[in-house]
Amino acid sequence: DTGVSQNPRHKITKRGQNVTFRCDPISEHNRLYWYRQTLGQGPEFLTYFQNEAQLEKSRLLSDRFSAERPKGSFSTLEIQRTEQGDSAMYLCASSFPVAGGLGQYFGPGTRLTVT
Amino acid sequence: AQTVTQSQPEMSVQEAETVTLSCTYDTSESNYYLFWYKQPPSRQMILVIRQEAYKQQNATENRFSVNFQKAAKSFSLKISDSQLGDTAMYFCASSPGGSEKLVFGKGTKLTVNP
Repeated sequence: DTGVSQNPRHKITKRGQNVTFRCDPISEHNRLYWYRQTLGQGPEFLTYFQNEAQLEKSRLLSDRFSAERPKGSFSTLEIQRTEQGDSAMYLCASSFPVAGGLGQYFGPGTRLTVT
Repeated sequence: AQTVTQSQPEMSVQEAETVTLSCTYDTSESNYYLFWYKQPPSRQMILVIRQEAYKQQNATENRFSVNFQKAAKSFSLKISDSQLGDTAMYFCASSPGGSEKLVFGKGTKLTVNP
């Protein structure tokens, strides 16, 4: 399977705990994106990488959130001191190294539930 | 900031019929891209069709086509010969020129009835 993969698919955690999600993009894609989707809403952009460089961050990405892509391949998204409002689906996407309009390819997402 | 609006929270259509999903957007960019994504129940987001704003010709992908009205900032999706497998959430999205992020609408839940 050469699609975008995300692990874990589901995560239940208690408020205040730290969680980390992983995304493996399509191998020939050098751009990687993180989005958050809450129930009944469209995905909201969080951040994006080109290779290992983090090029844009949303204001949604508070200081409790950190994303890395250390070798320009897989990426991790960490949430520290989780809050109930962090409960959402976290989506990862990747795209070809062409600006703008070829579209992004999404993974299945990681569903986070904070109790 | 760029915004995308989908005014139809839910729609239904009979199998084999045609349905049109609406989307409007607002942008100050001269160069941008528009997309429709499909998210089946409990499955991942799939790119359905894309449109480059500077191209006047409407994009078509098999049974899926768009009606792109640039002056009206409208980007509707037409699904012809609807199939049961078309049942999904459909999201309209834009990518502002020079920016890589996608801005999504809230989605339209489409149900295809047998």
